[in-house]
Parts: sequence; structure tokens; C-alpha cells
Amino acid sequence: AQSVTQPDIHITVSEGASLELRCNYSYGATPYLFWYVQSPGQGLQLLLKYFSGDTLVQGIKGFEAEFKRSQSSFNLRKPSVHWSDAAEYFCAVGARSSASKIIFGSGTRLSIRP
Amino acid sequence: DAGITQSPRYKITETGRQVTLMCHQTWSHSYMFWYRQDLGHGLRLIYYSAAADITDKGEVPDGYVVSRSKTENFPLTLESATRSQTSVYFCASSESKALIHNEQFFGPGTRLTVL
Repeated sequence: AQSVTQPDIHITVSEGASLELRCNYSYGATPYLFWYVQSPGQGLQLLLKYFSGDTLVQGIKGFEAEFKRSQSSFNLRKPSVHWSDAAEYFCAVGARSSASKIIFGSGTRLSIRP
Repeated sequence: DAGITQSPRYKITETGRQVTLMCHQTWSHSYMFWYRQDLGHGLRLIYYSAAADITDKGEVPDGYVVSRSKTENFPLTLESATRSQTSVYFCASSESKALIHNEQFFGPGTRLTVL
């Protein structure tokens, strides 16, 4: 069965600084990988996804993520954060054999220091 | 308005009462999902539906009942609410069963408190 670990519960970075949110997955084959963002009081919005091909994936709002098979990781990055990036971020994994189910990590809350 | 909506947005109920959370989507998406979000657990899938009259259990289905008589609606019922069901509930929908095409669109959530 697939699983997702986000080791950082809460991260604070200064506005304008770079960001990396960690995500490790467990799955026996190449998974589908996702990053979602949840702003306060809102539902989840898809930032980016990886299915195959180029391991560096570009998403919305200036985010990118890199799939590293050897490390079972799919870390989210942004070169310069904005105050509006403060939110909860969820990594998720989907199994290719189970088309309808996605397993979410426990989330990382991002705070931005002015 | 187009999109996916949930009602009510906030609900307080008492242990043992029946509660129904509503979910409505205007895209005619085939797949619909119910998740619960709890601190430290992220989102966990309760039930999902592949089409009208087709539902299946997710990771944490106990204590919940779903139905899907119409494509656009997917209500979630807590038949006898317990305090452990205090949570934020999210409904989601997606167009296709193939994950490669499957972006799940989420509703704004319902915050349920069981006293």
C-alpha cells in the first residue's frame, strides 16, 4: 500500500526567501505524485502533479517539484516566497493500479515572516 | 454558481443524532469523494463514488453512509454521530477515473462539531 510522509509539521520562512517542503512516499512502483495547497478556510487546490517524463515539474504560483526515485522523494520548492503563500501544503500519492484513490500526507503548515 | 459546493459550512450536533452533509457539483463529473481532515492525519478518504448508484468504501468508512441517486449530488450521512467524528469534511469531484487526467476539485469544507 502506498503512503506519504511530510516530516515537517510547521515551517516559517522570511518573505523573499527560498522554500523547500519535503515529501517522501512509499510505493512499490512509480507513483502518481501531487502537491495541493489549502489556504485558511478553503478547500484544496492542485499546485502540480507528476505522472511520468521530466522529473522536474512546474506548477502554478511559481512552485516546482522534483521527483527523485532513488530517494523516494517529491519535494516542493519556490525560489522566493510571498506573504500570500502562507497556507497548508499537502503532498499526495496515487497508485497507478487504483485510479480513483489518492493518499494524502499529514500536511506542512507554512508561515511567512515579514 | 458553477463548481462544487458543500452545505452546511458549519454544524454543531449532539452525540447520537443523525447528520447529513451535502455536496453538489455542477460539472457532471463522474467521480465524487468524501474526505475528513484531522490534525496530524491530513485527509483521509471516507467513501467515493464512480457514478450514480455506484459507491465504495475508502480508508475510514465506519459510521458513515453515502448515496448517489444523481450525478451531481453526493450526500454523506452520520447515522449516529460520535465525538470522534468531529472533523472538517471535504467533498471532491473528478472527471475521469484515470489518475493521469484526474485532478480532484475540492469543495470549501464543512466543519462538524459533535458535542
